[in-house]
Amino acid sequence: GDSVTQTEGPVTLSEGTSLTVNCSYETKQYPTLFWYVQYPGEGPQLLFKVPKANEKGSNRGFEATYNKEATSFHLQKASVQESDSAVYYCALSAPPNTGKLTFGDGTVLTVKP
Amino acid sequence: EAAVTQSPRSKVAVTGGKVTLSCHQTNNHDYMYWYRQDTGHGLRLIHYSYVADSTEKGDIPDGYKASRPSQENFSLILELASLSQTAVYFCASSVDKYEQYFGPGTRLTVL
Repeated sequence: GDSVTQTEGPVTLSEGTSLTVNCSYETKQYPTLFWYVQYPGEGPQLLFKVPKANEKGSNRGFEATYNKEATSFHLQKASVQESDSAVYYCALSAPPNTGKLTFGDGTVLTVKP
Repeated sequence: EAAVTQSPRSKVAVTGGKVTLSCHQTNNHDYMYWYRQDTGHGLRLIHYSYVADSTEKGDIPDGYKASRPSQENFSLILELASLSQTAVYFCASSVDKYEQYFGPGTRLTVL
């Protein structure tokens, strides 16, 4: 079946430093890839999605490129802020596109001022 | 903005008891989903639904039933709650099967 593997946490950074959360996936199909973010006490919310290989998604300073050859979708941000502290999930949806999302285990990010 | 609400927000149940978790959405979305989240793990799909009065099994349906009596409402039912079902449960809805809007979650503790 489909699977997603991402950087194990927790990750602790200082404000202003750069972030990379690795994500690799396995599927026999051609997936749509997602990054979701979950703040304490809330449900996950979509950060962005990328449906096509070699395209980049971005939102709120975060970005990731769908690398089909490497089956990767790493999340990056050049300069993190304390408000970015959250859990980040990489996910995929593959044909027959029932709407089912396969999630990674999540990466807990803490940004210290 | 999309709105998915869940009730109760937390619940303590006894082993062998029946538990019903409710989800209500005002998004006019056709698709609804139930996931469970275990500490340190991602979300796993339990049941989902494309239309009222119809439900489908997800990846981990054993021990759970689902009910979709209307477009707005989607319930998750644990007929005989077990310790292993202690988790946080999330409901989600979507219009296009891609961008899913999640509720705030229900923390279920089975003792």
